[in-house]
Amino acid sequence: NAGVTQTPKFQVLKTGQSMTLQCAQDMNHNSMYWYRQDPGMGLRLIYYSASEGTTDKGEVPNGYNVSRLNKREFSLRLESAAPSQTSVYFCASSLQEDTEAFFGQGTRLTVV
Amino acid sequence: GENVEQHPSTLSVQEGDSAVIKCTYSDSASNYFPWYKQELGKRPQLIIDIRSNVGEKKDQRIAVTLNKTAKHFSLHITETQPEDSAVYFCAAYNLSGGYNKLIFGAGTRLAVHP
Repeated sequence: NAGVTQTPKFQVLKTGQSMTLQCAQDMNHNSMYWYRQDPGMGLRLIYYSASEGTTDKGEVPNGYNVSRLNKREFSLRLESAAPSQTSVYFCASSLQEDTEAFFGQGTRLTVV
Repeated sequence: GENVEQHPSTLSVQEGDSAVIKCTYSDSASNYFPWYKQELGKRPQLIIDIRSNVGEKKDQRIAVTLNKTAKHFSLHITETQPEDSAVYFCAAYNLSGGYNKLIFGAGTRLAVHP
């Protein structure tokens, strides 16, 4: 079992460029999440998907979009990257929203 | 919405001492409180969790206590070891009012010195 797999692991973007972070889980989990981690600010929820076909905003959704492609995959898109989006991004999944969340290995994104 | 505050932001202890990290939450409807450990350069991993119908839970050297009246919960690590050095995050989950999201505290960096 791979668990939660994120790609890419590292990315450097220029301001204004776009990109999509990919996330896939093989645990048949219903819920999936995207968090960003910044020093001293913990893990902040960007978007989440409680189940296939649904998505909802988290604490810091501005500048991002998501797609729950199917039960396994949940992608995060930056349409026009800004330096403020420099961060480490984690995808996570859980069987239900109030059960253990399993995290991917993270994507370190730098916007210059 | 839910707000989770975590203290202290950094904690330094000697090997063998106990460590306590405290979190407060704002919404009395929150009902699930997990704790995650993140080692340097790695992903967060669940170490223990507690639900609102329980006051305390233990797993070997780790325990979590919950005070629903005061809206705070704490992580207790006894007999600390150097491998306990990591960043610890508390979180609170609220299932009521459509605000069903897991919100994390800002984290506590624990250093255990040999």
